[in-house]
Amino acid sequence: DAKTTQPNSMESNEEEPVHLPCNHSTISGTDYIHWYRQLPSQGPEYVIHGLTSNVNNRMASLAIAEDRKSSTLILHRATLRDAAVYYCILRGADSWGKLQFGAGTQVVVTP
Amino acid sequence: NAGVMQNPRHLVRRRGQEARLRCSPMKGHSHVYWYRQLPEEGLKFMVYLQKENIIDESGMPKERFSAEFPKEGPSILRIQQVVRGDSAAYFCASSPALNEQFFGPGTRLTVL
Repeated sequence: DAKTTQPNSMESNEEEPVHLPCNHSTISGTDYIHWYRQLPSQGPEYVIHGLTSNVNNRMASLAIAEDRKSSTLILHRATLRDAAVYYCILRGADSWGKLQFGAGTQVVVTP
Repeated sequence: NAGVMQNPRHLVRRRGQEARLRCSPMKGHSHVYWYRQLPEEGLKFMVYLQKENIIDESGMPKERFSAEFPKEGPSILRIQQVVRGDSAAYFCASSPALNEQFFGPGTRLTVL
């Protein structure tokens, strides 16, 4: 599976937007871009996924570059509950659905 | 619809004992995945099962570890003759198809 690169950590003030970048320069045409997050002492939680077009849901937005070599997860108004490790994962059509987690980005939200 | 359930939430075993971790997927989900998170490390895929079948066990250690997902009942991850290096959080996830996965709260295994 193709690799992703994320910053180790990011800090944000409460109620401000957070933009989490992810580089995936070796992405293949059939790879979906998935985002999960893991709050302290909990299991991972699905956030959003996309293939080519930008996606929005109640939790976040996903902006995908035109060449698909990078993407950005956008949390529109960070809350203290959004403090977590965010994982950007590429999931191929032939991967049997398994998720390959990297180190992710630790998001710190300051009141 | 109840979420993915895992039990026990915490399990303590002495070296050489067996550990059995149980996972009940969400209703209607026939795909189950097990992941392990070692202390200070990331989550690693272990095994993917559908009802009564192991589909992908490429992440499972070759010895002492086994998994099953019987026709009736929860999925079981079994670790025989546990060693200290098995201490970790074990997460189960389920999905209705090959799309987003719903994770349980995990079982934290401590080997003394």
